[in-house]
Amino acid sequence: DAMVIQNPRYQVTQFGKPVTLSCSQTLNHNVMYWYQQKSSQAPKLLFHYYDKDFNNEADTPDNFQSRRPNTSFCFLDIRSPGLGDAAMYLCATSLGLAGVADTQYFGPGTRLTVL
Amino acid sequence: DAKTTQPNSMESNEEEPVHLPCNHSTISGTDYIHWYRQLPSQGPEYVIHGLTSNVNNRMASLAIAEDRKSSTLILHRATLRDAAVYYCILMTSGAGSYQLTFGKGTKLSVIP
Repeated sequence: DAMVIQNPRYQVTQFGKPVTLSCSQTLNHNVMYWYQQKSSQAPKLLFHYYDKDFNNEADTPDNFQSRRPNTSFCFLDIRSPGLGDAAMYLCATSLGLAGVADTQYFGPGTRLTVL
Repeated sequence: DAKTTQPNSMESNEEEPVHLPCNHSTISGTDYIHWYRQLPSQGPEYVIHGLTSNVNNRMASLAIAEDRKSSTLILHRATLRDAAVYYCILMTSGAGSYQLTFGKGTKLSVIP
């Protein structure tokens, strides 16, 4: 029954070593989102895809990139992780047809540790 | 910037109703009011949303003030499983993107 799947659930990387987090969905939704949530803070949107159209938030660092090869999968690439990038990374999806009434479905998150 | 104001924390006894308030005095006519919650170590979960009229679903009820400057999420019988951070979010359209901007939320504790 899993609808938004994130792998791995826990990821450890070294300072400066590129890392990729993955998200897949079984909902066939048009929109996929990536959020960053640091300890004791609220989730913060990094970017989202509406189908193949990429939308980057203005304050998302260049170190973060994303790929969406098909409807089901979306990847978050961190090119050179710093200690400040340690966080929970949340993937979400939405149908994208209801506008401001759209509902987002979140995955369980990947907790990234940077050593 | 988050455009909602919520209490930092609230407590409730198990099996009693809980009223979680949210102020959104700068709401515009087309903004939807969404509520999500986040249980410990999990991703956020959709609870309910509305525009003007009160809304009910299997999880909760949403009461929206007539002037729409405030709303209240109502959990009719709190259970231990309802202990979570509850986020009240205004969904605003613009440039084709529909963003959830999370504020600090209300941490709900449920006392057995």
